[in-house]
Amino acid sequence: AQSVTQPDIHITVSEGASLELRCNYSYGATPYLFWYVQSPGQGLQLLLKYFSGDTLVQGIKGFEAEFKRSQSSFNLRKPSVHWSDAAEYFCAVGATDNFNKFYFGSGTKLNVKP
Amino acid sequence: DAGITQSPRHKVTETGTPVTLRCHQTENHRYMYWYRQDPGHGLRLIHYSYGVKDTDKGEVSDGYSVSRSKTEDFLLTLESATSSQTSVYFCAIRPGTGANNEQFFGPGTRLTVL
Repeated sequence: AQSVTQPDIHITVSEGASLELRCNYSYGATPYLFWYVQSPGQGLQLLLKYFSGDTLVQGIKGFEAEFKRSQSSFNLRKPSVHWSDAAEYFCAVGATDNFNKFYFGSGTKLNVKP
Repeated sequence: DAGITQSPRHKVTETGTPVTLRCHQTENHRYMYWYRQDPGHGLRLIHYSYGVKDTDKGEVSDGYSVSRSKTEDFLLTLESATSSQTSVYFCAIRPGTGANNEQFFGPGTRLTVL
């Protein structure tokens, strides 16, 4: 069965520090991969996506993610965090046999210290 | 802005009462989705629609029904609400028909069942 694991429930980083949020998935083939961000009381906004090709993908707001097939991972990174990045981040997997099925991780809540 | 609205945005109801949540889109997309979001679970798919009168179940469909009589509206009904259905409900749309199209989310409806 498909699953998505985000092992860190909460992460706190200082403003200006680098960030890496982890995402591991379980899927029979290479899935479609997404990162979404959710600010408090808001819906989800897409940060970036991976379907094929270059394993390092760039997204909005200075985020990037790297797909590593050997590790079944799709970690999100940002070189310098801003206070406005405080939010909850969700990794998601899109099934390739039924593209109506998305599977979300449980989320990582990011706090940014001044 | 993907042109998605949800109504109501907040609702408090009592156990055993019927509840209907509405999702409305302005861009005539074919695919629409209902998710619920609970702490520690991320988002889980309840039902989805691939056209007018065409719907299918997601991973947590028990206790929910949906209807889509017009392209722009996708209704989620709890026939007899239970406290376990207290959650935040998100509607999403997926533009296009290919697998590599991300989902865009509405602002959510917070439902409390007492």
